[in-house]
Amino acid sequence: GAGVSQSPSNKVTEKGKDVELRCDPISGHTALYWYRQRLGQGLEFLIYFQGNSAPDKSGLPSDRFSAERTGESVSTLTIQRTQQEDSAVYLCASSPHGGTGELFFGEGSRLTVL
Amino acid sequence: KNQVEQSPQSLIILEGKNCTLQCNYTVSPFSNLRWYKQDTGRGPVSLTIMTFSENTKSNGRYTATLDADTKQSSLHITASQLSDSASYICVVSRQTGANNLFFGTGTRLTVIP
Repeated sequence: GAGVSQSPSNKVTEKGKDVELRCDPISGHTALYWYRQRLGQGLEFLIYFQGNSAPDKSGLPSDRFSAERTGESVSTLTIQRTQQEDSAVYLCASSPHGGTGELFFGEGSRLTVL
Repeated sequence: KNQVEQSPQSLIILEGKNCTLQCNYTVSPFSNLRWYKQDTGRGPVSLTIMTFSENTKSNGRYTATLDADTKQSSLHITASQLSDSASYICVVSRQTGANNLFFGTGTRLTVIP
């Protein structure tokens, strides 16, 4: 596709359930980032992929959060046993080479945990 | 510590007026600085990039400046329009490190008629 695609765009779940968020980066982009943005707040780094490996996963807030990337393309962010504080917009971005390149963001997945 | 600070946190201006947003950083070694615009409910979009040797760069009604000595950047918006209402995020890249992008928390600009 022309841009970064994220799904679902909106997800409402009950506390304790697991959720999976998907990101389709721009074709050929080797770098992929996940960020969390709480309402009215700035972007909070979660994890960075270069190809299929994750050289920096320091931003994952707890072991309930995990992410993987396969085939240097699609990435999934999984949140297990969701809590209300997980409610936020999860933004994915890709970049041609990573490092200092321009980020191309998706529209985000809005997660609401009841 | 690598940090990016933006000011003001929020700003309200009348349509047609100019405004200037500030970004101070301590990121080192510096690679580049980008300004992103984030419309409500959308992902951020890059407006401009400043490298070490660049002082000023314009993109339509947006003009970014960089002072690498004082580690300050500004984004000046001329003749504001209602569509300029958005959050403006400053992102500084470091030359080294696996994840070398540092984000400011943004300035929320509201343009009113």
